[in-house]
Amino acid sequence: DAGVIQSPRHEVTEMGQEVTLRCKPISGHNSLFWYRQTMMRGLELLIYFNNNVPIDDSGMPEDRFSAKMPNASFSTLKIQPSEPRDSAVYFCASSPGLAGGRGETQYFGPGTRLLVL
Amino acid sequence: QQPVQSPQAVILREGEDAVINCSSSKALYSVHWYRQKHGEAPVFLMILLKGGEQKGHEKISASFNEKKQQSSLYLTASQLSYSGTYFCGTEISNNAGNMLTFGGGTRLMVKP
Repeated sequence: DAGVIQSPRHEVTEMGQEVTLRCKPISGHNSLFWYRQTMMRGLELLIYFNNNVPIDDSGMPEDRFSAKMPNASFSTLKIQPSEPRDSAVYFCASSPGLAGGRGETQYFGPGTRLLVL
Repeated sequence: QQPVQSPQAVILREGEDAVINCSSSKALYSVHWYRQKHGEAPVFLMILLKGGEQKGHEKISASFNEKKQQSSLYLTASQLSYSGTYFCGTEISNNAGNMLTFGGGTRLMVKP
């Protein structure tokens, strides 16, 4: 079975440019999570969707970040405009999302390494 | 609030044992353990639900003390492949859904 798929795997861009990261969750999973990982801040939850609806976006750092999930098999995380401090590894994870999703395993994608110059 | 992991780093010789601790200031519904190798995604190891149960997977096991809001990961007779960074992710009791807050990680290096 295919796991969580993310694209691109690497992205290098210049400050001020728009960046779009993509994620395809495991088929049949109803919950999707976007995380950011840096040396300084560790692994942080940015936003959580359940059945394509954003449930908690309190981790989104600022208005420059936005996330969408137009259908059950696709999500995007957009940064506009990008800044050097956005450089990080961005992970997408999914879980079955049944019965409220409590106590479920989250499966991580390979991540997107973003470098903003 | 982020759970606290200890130690931050540990170096072992192959065959030695290690314990990694995870402590939260909030009541927990579950604790999830992951291992991440350099340049790769976190890989799920095990999940412990409230109830004080202990789980095991080959030579890696874990316990969860709900009352103390603590979990420990036990690595027995470590192998070279155990090297990596271990993260605990905590799910708070009064939250909807399974949002996890991850600890800062414990770097484990196993030497021959």
